[in-house]
Amino acid sequence: AQSVTQPDIHITVSEGASLELRCNYSYGATPYLFWYVQSPGQGLQLLLKYFSGDTLVQGIKGFEAEFKRSQSSFNLRKPSVHWSDAAEYFCAVGPDTSYGKLTFGQGTILTVHP
Amino acid sequence: DTAVSQTPKYLVTQMGNDKSIKCEQNLGHDTMYWYKQDSKKFLKIMFSYNNKELIINETVPNRFSPKSPDKAHLNLHINSLELGDSAVYFCASSQEVGELFFGEGSRLTVL
Repeated sequence: AQSVTQPDIHITVSEGASLELRCNYSYGATPYLFWYVQSPGQGLQLLLKYFSGDTLVQGIKGFEAEFKRSQSSFNLRKPSVHWSDAAEYFCAVGPDTSYGKLTFGQGTILTVHP
Repeated sequence: DTAVSQTPKYLVTQMGNDKSIKCEQNLGHDTMYWYKQDSKKFLKIMFSYNNKELIINETVPNRFSPKSPDKAHLNLHINSLELGDSAVYFCASSQEVGELFFGEGSRLTVL
């Protein structure tokens, strides 16, 4: 069965500091990996996705993520955090069909201090 | 125009009542989903439809009945509501693998 673990429930960073959110997955085949962001009172928005190829993927809002098969990880990074990045971030793993289910992690809440 | 819209955004109701949530997407996607987000923010798939056909039906009580009258609509009806049904229910649609577009959610509170 597929599963996703986000070890950090809550992370606080200062504005301008770098950010790394951790994600570990368990999946029987080649995983399709995703990061979504949820602002308060909103639905989730896709930040980036990894299917194959270059293990460093770029997303929207200046985010990037690196797939490391040996560590079963897909960590999200941003070099310099902005106050508007405060939100909850969800890592997800899914199959290679357009209608297959995504399994989400528990989410990591990001707080940004001025 | 909102891409995925759900109504209502908030429902407060008594145990034992029946309620429905409606979802419409104007993106032309073939696949639509219902996800449930519990109080701990854990997001779990309930159902998915592809071209009006039920594809995924997770272990959900049969008090929950989805209906897809056409490709652009997916409604969720819940019978005999229980306290544990309190959650935020998200509708989503997709065309590409894993690229889900979510609605803003419908917060259901059962008293």
